[in-house]
Amino acid sequence: AQSVTQLGSHVSVSEGALVLLRCNYSSSVPPYLFWYVQYPNQGLQLLLKYTTGATLVKGINGFEAEFKKSETSFHLTKPSAHMSDAAEYFCAVGSFNKFYFGSGTKLNVKP
Amino acid sequence: DAGVIQSPRHEVTEMGQEVTLRCKPISGHDYLFWYRQTMMRGLELLIYFNNNVPIDDSGMPEDRFSAKMPNASFSTLKIQPSEPRDSAVYFCASRGGSGANVLTFGAGSRLTVL
Repeated sequence: AQSVTQLGSHVSVSEGALVLLRCNYSSSVPPYLFWYVQYPNQGLQLLLKYTTGATLVKGINGFEAEFKKSETSFHLTKPSAHMSDAAEYFCAVGSFNKFYFGSGTKLNVKP
Repeated sequence: DAGVIQSPRHEVTEMGQEVTLRCKPISGHDYLFWYRQTMMRGLELLIYFNNNVPIDDSGMPEDRFSAKMPNASFSTLKIQPSEPRDSAVYFCASRGGSGANVLTFGAGSRLTVL
């Protein structure tokens, strides 16, 4: 069975501060891991993905995530938050043809 | 490519009415997924198709829900009869073949059942 836990349904940071969104997963097989972003009234857009290879994955808009197998984590980070980063972020784990999404973390960026 | 196209974007209907949501996947993608998003339950997988064939419909909540994919470029999700608890945003997503284990989502259909 596979599942995803996102710690913190709401995260608030100041503009320019570090963004850290936490994701832990469980998977009985080597996982594919994803981060998606959802802006209001829009669908989910892929930020980045881990399939195999390098454990530090860089995505769009300056985001990156590190796959840590020993910790079963795939936390999302960005060194400096921008107002345009305010959105909801979803971590997902997938293998074969099923993708399981976390409950989402809403990121608020304060000026 | 125009991406995954969903219609309607918004639907308001009364309890008991039939609702049909439509999806056009990305050309060449051979997997299509229907998800439902609510505040209470987050993103739930309802059903997915491979090469137009339903593979797993275990997430379909009850018999009032049905989904079809008559060809590679079109799928429908139907609710009959609709109930207020069906109010949600319904997303369609598609995925390419080998080497493309990434879902591409449509913009969603927001359903409100009064």
